[in-house]
Amino acid sequence: AQRVTQPEKLLSVFKGAPVELKCNYSYSGSPELFWYVQYSRQRLQLLLRHISRESIKGFTADLNKGETSFHLKKPFAQEEDSAMYYCALSYGSSNTGKLIFGQGTTLQVKP
Amino acid sequence: NAGVTQTPKFQVLKTGQSMTLQCAQDMNHEYMSWYRQDPGMGLRLIHYSVGAGITDQGEVPNGYNVSRSTTEDFPLRLLSAAPSQTSVYFCASSSAGTSGDTQYFGPGTRLTVL
Repeated sequence: AQRVTQPEKLLSVFKGAPVELKCNYSYSGSPELFWYVQYSRQRLQLLLRHISRESIKGFTADLNKGETSFHLKKPFAQEEDSAMYYCALSYGSSNTGKLIFGQGTTLQVKP
Repeated sequence: NAGVTQTPKFQVLKTGQSMTLQCAQDMNHEYMSWYRQDPGMGLRLIHYSVGAGITDQGEVPNGYNVSRSTTEDFPLRLLSAAPSQTSVYFCASSSAGTSGDTQYFGPGTRLTVL
C-alpha cells in the first residue's frame, strides 16, 4: 500500500543554517510527489512538485527513486520559513486528485 | 476569485447530531476532495469527486456522506457525529489535466464533537 513518512515532527534550526526536511515514500507505481506548506493562520498551499524540478523560496527537492525519498532542502533558513510542511504523494489512476500525506514536520527557524 | 471557501469555520456538536460542512469553489475545477487533519497523522482523504454526479471514497470514508450536484459545491455530511470525528476538515479542488495537478485548499473547518 502507498505510504508517506516524515520521520521528524519538529525540526528546529537557527536562521542561516541549512535545512533538510525528510520524506520517504512507498508506492508501487510511478510516484508523483509534492511538498505543501501551511504558514500560521494560512491555508495549506503547494510549495513545489518534483515533476517541475523547480526552486521555490529557495527550497528544492529531488526525487530519489532508489532510496524512495523526496527530501526538502534549503541552504540558508529564514525566519519566515517557519511553518508546517507536508510531503504528499499522488496515487491511483491519473486525474483524480487523490493525495496521501505524511504526518507533517514543523520547521522552527530561530533568530 | 474567492478560491475555495468553507463554512462554518468552527462547529461544536453533540454526539449523535448531524450536520453538513459546506465547500464551494469558483475556479471551475472538476476535482474536489475532503480531508481531515489530525495531530500526528497528517491529512487523510475522506471522499473525493472527479466531476458533478461522480463521487468515490478515500481512505477514511466511514461516517461521512458526500454528493456533487454542481461543479461548484461539494458538501460533506456527518450523519451521526462521534467524538472520533473531532478534527479539522479541509476541502480542496484541482483542475482536470495531467495527474498531480496543484490542489487548492480551503481555510478549514474546526469541528469538535462532545
